[in-house]
Amino acid sequence: AQKITQTQPGMFVQEKEAVTLDCTYDTSDPSYGLFWYKQPSSGEMIFLIYQGSYDQQNATEGRYSLNFQKARKSANLVISASQLGDSAMYFCAMREVMRTDMRFGAGTRLTVKP
Amino acid sequence: DADVTQTPRNRITKTGKRIMLECSQTKGHDRMYWYRQDPGLGLQLIYYSFDVKDINKGEISDGYSVSRQAQAKFSLSLESAIPNQTALYFCATSEGFNQPQHFGDGTRLSIL
Repeated sequence: AQKITQTQPGMFVQEKEAVTLDCTYDTSDPSYGLFWYKQPSSGEMIFLIYQGSYDQQNATEGRYSLNFQKARKSANLVISASQLGDSAMYFCAMREVMRTDMRFGAGTRLTVKP
Repeated sequence: DADVTQTPRNRITKTGKRIMLECSQTKGHDRMYWYRQDPGLGLQLIYYSFDVKDINKGEISDGYSVSRQAQAKFSLSLESAIPNQTALYFCATSEGFNQPQHFGDGTRLSIL
């Protein structure tokens, strides 16, 4: 069964605007962690932000924030003030405490327009 | 220097050949992982290791084997390569459950 769903294969945003990338997940484990990674065209995987299932506040890291809605099982990434260098694939991932691996979504390709 | 180093970065080879992809890390993490990435499928776990004596299969281990030579080294082998193993391969390390995985730059493998 698909554990991580990213429903937007591709997104476009104007430079300097904010954009939200969607991620929903499925788990019965009460303890889990949610991660977002960026993959530029050069191929490397860059860790962006982490949210724990028991964290009371939404995670933020610079221009990245995570809109965590636990009851809806969603963990959307918000990028503020988009830059041309933000153009990349973005992956949502989840690790459950009862599992040893990290499950990844299929990704969203973000293109920032000048 | 990169914390997680994969070699080679690119490899083209023929069906039936044995191939080894190597990964070394300077982060001091016990946990190491091998993933493959195919277009549109995100990353899929091949094998993982929590210490030198611990090797575990991931969701797509068939056709692959691994060796954890030391805490810092984790190698992935394709015993007899086939074209549908053409993919981007990543090595990753982590400290623990709620810590992010740190990825190498990937190995682009093409099997003709």
